[in-house]
Amino acid sequence: NAGVMQNPRHLVRRRGQEARLRCSPMKGHSHVYWYRQLPEEGLKFMVYLQKENIIDESGMPKERFSAEFPKEGPSILRIQQVVRGDSAAYFCASSPSSGRAGNTIYFGEGSWLTVV
Amino acid sequence: DQQVKQNSPSLSVQEGRISILNCDYTNSMFDYFLWYKKYPAEGPTFLISISSIKDKNEDGRFTVFLNKSAKHLSLHIVPSQPGDSAVYFCAASRLNNNDMRFGAGTRLTVKP
Repeated sequence: NAGVMQNPRHLVRRRGQEARLRCSPMKGHSHVYWYRQLPEEGLKFMVYLQKENIIDESGMPKERFSAEFPKEGPSILRIQQVVRGDSAAYFCASSPSSGRAGNTIYFGEGSWLTVV
Repeated sequence: DQQVKQNSPSLSVQEGRISILNCDYTNSMFDYFLWYKKYPAEGPTFLISISSIKDKNEDGRFTVFLNKSAKHLSLHIVPSQPGDSAVYFCAASRLNNNDMRFGAGTRLTVKP
């Protein structure tokens, strides 16, 4: 499967716990994006990363949320001390290169976080 | 800061007729535009794109029109089929920048 892989697909956490969502980009892609979709809302940009670098995190909440894309391994979106309002679908996307117009980003199937 | 807007949350059309989904943007620096389609419990899938040097791009039943002066684009689906029922997201990005912004989506329902 050469697509963007996200896991877990579904995650249930109690308030105050930590959630870790993983994303492996498509083969050959070095750019990763995280988006969040709250119930009945559209896709909200969270963060854009390249290997070992955060390029744009303007959509990330200031507290409790962090993202990384290490040299080896998947990108991780980490949410500490989850609250009910964090319940959402989190989508990862990847693209092959930067600096050129016309890049299409390809999405994974999403990770659904439910905070109880 | 909603830079990409889809003002119609839903649209219902009859099978065989044309579906027109609209999108407006505010950032004049955007020069690449895309439409994604999303089924429930799945990730968005790329549908069609257009760069700012064009005003029309066609792929089968799907055509995207771009009006740069109005900062408006639209997706036409003709003829519409029940399998087209999904949420459609408009997206925009800038030259030399991979940051892509999405609209809130329009839920299209095609009735048999």
